[in-house]
Amino acid sequence: LAKTTQPISMDSYEGQEVNITCSHNNIATNDYITWYQQFPSQGPRFIIQGYKTKVTNEVASLFIPADRKSSTLSLPRVSLSDTAVYYCLVGDANDYKLSFGAGTTVTVRA
Amino acid sequence: ETGVTQTPRHLVMGMTNKKSLKCEQHLGHNAMYWYKQSAKKPLELMFVYNFKEQTENNSVPSRFSPECPNSSHLFLHLHTLQPEDSALYLCASSPTTGDGNTEAFFGQGTRLTVV
Repeated sequence: LAKTTQPISMDSYEGQEVNITCSHNNIATNDYITWYQQFPSQGPRFIIQGYKTKVTNEVASLFIPADRKSSTLSLPRVSLSDTAVYYCLVGDANDYKLSFGAGTTVTVRA
Repeated sequence: ETGVTQTPRHLVMGMTNKKSLKCEQHLGHNAMYWYKQSAKKPLELMFVYNFKEQTENNSVPSRFSPECPNSSHLFLHLHTLQPEDSALYLCASSPTTGDGNTEAFFGQGTRLTVV
């Protein structure tokens, strides 16, 4: 799996947009970028996955530049319930080891 | 509801007990995982099974013994654990279809307390 680097923590306020950038300089041609969200005492939950350019779903957007060496998860108009740890993973279906790093702890304040 | 079911949700056991954690998925996934998460720490990958074959053992002590009888079921047998083994144990499954989809589905976890 390609190594990823993301900020340890981020603070935000309700209604703001939160952008979390993940660096993955050694991403391989077949690798996809996947983001998970984890609340305390629960298992991580899939948020979004992408290969290149931009992907959007009802929860978030994922921006991937042309060189794919980084990606940015964008959470629009966060609420208190978006307080969680967000993990960036890079790999393909043959790298199914799914190793999670420390993630980014996002704290949303009123 | 993620399609991955773990039982029990909570377990308290003594250091001399033997217990088992169970994980079940009917999502058609071929890979299944056990993770350990201690308080305020990252997820630690313990074991990975792909098509019922163990492909990863991250230097886990032998007091943890996994079993994967088929692609839908995964067990973690616990024997003579230590208090520091108290943690949230999470099971996950994912497809390994080669199309790049690595979306994993996690169970709700078993909160284990060793006394």
